[in-house]
Amino acid sequence: GAVVSQHPSWVICKSGTSVKIECRSLDFQATTMFWYRQFPKQSLMLMATSNEGSKATYEQGVEKDKFLINHASLTLSTLTVTSAHPEDSSFYICSASPSLAGEQYFGPGTRLTVT
Amino acid sequence: AQSVSQHNHHVILSEAASLELGCNYSYGGTVNLFWYVQYPGQHLQLLLKYFSGDPLVKGIKGFEAEFIKSKFSFNLRKPSVQWSDTAEYFCAVNAGGNKLVFGAGTILRVKS
Repeated sequence: GAVVSQHPSWVICKSGTSVKIECRSLDFQATTMFWYRQFPKQSLMLMATSNEGSKATYEQGVEKDKFLINHASLTLSTLTVTSAHPEDSSFYICSASPSLAGEQYFGPGTRLTVT
Repeated sequence: AQSVSQHNHHVILSEAASLELGCNYSYGGTVNLFWYVQYPGQHLQLLLKYFSGDPLVKGIKGFEAEFIKSKFSFNLRKPSVQWSDTAEYFCAVNAGGNKLVFGAGTILRVKS
């Protein structure tokens, strides 16, 4: 149980285009979903927290207009990287939490490369 | 702000050796504590968690962790490691609001 999927697993896009990444909780309803960014040899950096049906809460330094998050249902959240630039190339990971206790289940991640 | 400190970034052990990975956090209130593991090429998986009760918690694959409130610590242990335990281990703390704060991670390499 507690499986989270992400799609796509990797994507290459040209600078200036937008990319959408989907995160789904497959066998549970997620009250909250999270989006992280992981740089090589570093830990996860939380970008934003989203609750179903409400606006996402972004961490300090994360541009909300660049990283659009939509949490349309209890099993789906999307992250759209708008007007992507090479510096946005990274590994993006989502997680989903079925409760308020802080337990999170992670997706496999999406490798974004912007050329 | 909460922070999590993992003492060792790289640990190399031989098979059957005992493992202890240190984790300390900075937060004075009630916390929920987690250890996650990331095997090579795989995503983060929950290894074990502590919410309340017995401070010695047992997780999957023979891992356990002990919560010592007075030391703000939640160290991960395994009596005898296997080659398949080679992975990166992350300690994480939830101090409210459902957000996790992660440590920097410890890369464990087990030599066969």
